[in-house]
Amino acid sequence: GAVVSQHPSWVICKSGTSVKIECRSLDFQATTMFWYRQFPKQSLMLMATSNEGSKATYEQGVEKDKFLINHASLTLSTLTVTSAHPEDSSFYICSARDRGRALTDTQYFGPGTRLTVL
Amino acid sequence: AQSVTQLDSQVPVFEEAPVELRCNYSSSVSVYLFWYVQYPNQGLQLLLKYLSGSTLVKGINGFEAEFNKSQTSFHLRKPSVHISDTAEYFCAVKNSGAGSYQLTFGKGTKLSVIP
Repeated sequence: GAVVSQHPSWVICKSGTSVKIECRSLDFQATTMFWYRQFPKQSLMLMATSNEGSKATYEQGVEKDKFLINHASLTLSTLTVTSAHPEDSSFYICSARDRGRALTDTQYFGPGTRLTVL
Repeated sequence: AQSVTQLDSQVPVFEEAPVELRCNYSSSVSVYLFWYVQYPNQGLQLLLKYLSGSTLVKGINGFEAEFNKSQTSFHLRKPSVHISDTAEYFCAVKNSGAGSYQLTFGKGTKLSVIP
């Protein structure tokens, strides 16, 4: 089945540093990937939609200069949290649409990355 | 715009008992409906989805859900739960129109199966 991986699974960093999170579709091509943020005991909030070869579309209230998204290929999207602060600590989850199975209308989710900013 | 309401934030149930997790949605357009399960510190796994056709949808792990358009509901059910079903369950909707990809999630229901 369709598998999405994320790396790293857990990262701890100092305040003011930048952190890059990778999202890869392992056995399918994903023209569209999504980045979500999940606070403890809450639902997933869509941060941005990442399209291969074009700029990401950010949801209202999400700082595009703070959360840099690059969809470099059909199997890789990256989220960089720039100048991270403790309030950026969260669980970040990506998902991907299978280009070859668009009619199934299913997003496949990665296992998530837990970011802790000290 | 769409919204999803999961009426119960927590549902405790004894092992081998039946369970129903409720989901209601609001939308001005036709939607697709999904249930996802999230185990601790993991991403989401698709349980089942309704796109069209039969309103009773069967998914993985013995779960099923019924789409009720008049009541705008998509409740998730399982006749007999196991300890391994303990997890967070999210209901989600998506505009069924072409080119629309965004999922809107409910706040989740934590299912706790008691031995």
